[in-house]
Amino acid sequence: IAGITQAPTSQILAAGRRMTLRCTQDMRHNAMYWYRQDLGLGLRLIHYSNTAGTTGKGEVPDGYSVSRANTDDFPLTLASAVPSQTSVYFCASSEEGGAGKLFFGSGTQLSVL
Amino acid sequence: DAKTTQPPSMDCAEGRAANLPCNHSTISGNEYVYWYRQIHSQGPQYIIHGLKNNETNEMASLIITEDRKSSTLILPHATLRDTAVYYCIVRVGPNFGNEKLTFGTGTRLTIIP
Repeated sequence: IAGITQAPTSQILAAGRRMTLRCTQDMRHNAMYWYRQDLGLGLRLIHYSNTAGTTGKGEVPDGYSVSRANTDDFPLTLASAVPSQTSVYFCASSEEGGAGKLFFGSGTQLSVL
Repeated sequence: DAKTTQPPSMDCAEGRAANLPCNHSTISGNEYVYWYRQIHSQGPQYIIHGLKNNETNEMASLIITEDRKSSTLILPHATLRDTAVYYCIVRVGPNFGNEKLTFGTGTRLTIIP
């Protein structure tokens, strides 16, 4: 079934460790996004990529980095995890670059202790 | 992007039409109205979007007032699986340069058996 695959589903991570959340889509969408969702704060955009080879900062980019080496993959890296990065992370993609109709993955629950 | 206002929660009897309102009084002429929903612990799901005309698809209908300052999402025959948080989002339509999709807190719709 076409869509977005995120891995891992959940992860417990010690503070200070490096972690990469994986996101792969098979819809050949140009644009991809990473959001985090926290209780009471809703969904907030971390980073985005309008097309392979380009990335941009969203609303809460600090502590995160992304790369977009090809159309299908958009990994999110936490270089040195901190407890405030405990959250549910959603990857999304869209055909248009302007983030209108998004398709979301099932999320990664990350706990940083 | 224009700010939206939604009621925090609503109930609807199973089999009845669920009407979810959204106010967006500061909407600009080039801004679209998008609706998404998020079923517990899943990624958000696109439902429908429109500019000024009413829209209908297999999931729902979107009614936008003539002055475009408010809209209503209609689920014609609600089922228990429609229990979710529904987000009304107003943003400039599909184009590069406006990558942030602001979800807000949405309306928690509960379908009552």
